[in-house]
Amino acid sequence: AQKITQTQPGMFVQEKEAVTLDCTYDTSDPSYGLFWYKQPSSGEMIFLIYQGSYDQQNATEGRYSLNFQKARKSANLVISASQLGDSAMYFCAMREATAGNTGKLIFGQGTTLQVKP
Amino acid sequence: ETGVTQSPTHLIKTRGQQVTLRCSSQSGHNTVSWYQQALGQGPQFIFQYYREEENGRGNFPPRFSGLQFPNYSSELNVNALELDDSALYLCASRGGHNEQFFGPGTRLTVL
Repeated sequence: AQKITQTQPGMFVQEKEAVTLDCTYDTSDPSYGLFWYKQPSSGEMIFLIYQGSYDQQNATEGRYSLNFQKARKSANLVISASQLGDSAMYFCAMREATAGNTGKLIFGQGTTLQVKP
Repeated sequence: ETGVTQSPTHLIKTRGQQVTLRCSSQSGHNTVSWYQQALGQGPQFIFQYYREEENGRGNFPPRFSGLQFPNYSSELNVNALELDDSALYLCASRGGHNEQFFGPGTRLTVL
């Protein structure tokens, strides 16, 4: 069963505008963590933001914020004031507590974001 | 800069050959994971090493094996290469429970 679903294969946004990248997840584990990574064409996965399932507040890191809706099992990434350098592939990932200490991340298929000047 | 390095950056092999990929973890991180990312897909977990022992494995055959050394550097070995092994191989080192930093990857092409 698909555990992480990113339904937007590609997105466009105008420079300086905000954009939301969707992510839904499926787990029966009450304890889990959600991650967003950025992957430029160079290939490196760049960690952006983390949300724990028990965190009361939505995570924020600079221009990145995570809109965590636990009941809906969604963890959308919001990028404010988009910049040309934000053009990349974005991956949502989950780590379940039942994975023990393996640290195994389950990734979605990714969303390609293109920022237009 | 994540402090995680991988070598080589690119590699071309032929079917049936063996390959070794290397990863140097971020300082202080004693856990390393390896992922395979096929073109246009999300990364798939191969396995993880903690204190030189494998402690988790994804759905990959035994011809994918690894090592972790006392200095926490790591190797991924793939025997009897197949065309479908062509992918970007990423290693990730782990610090705290919510940190997992990836290296730049090794792009493997199997001809």
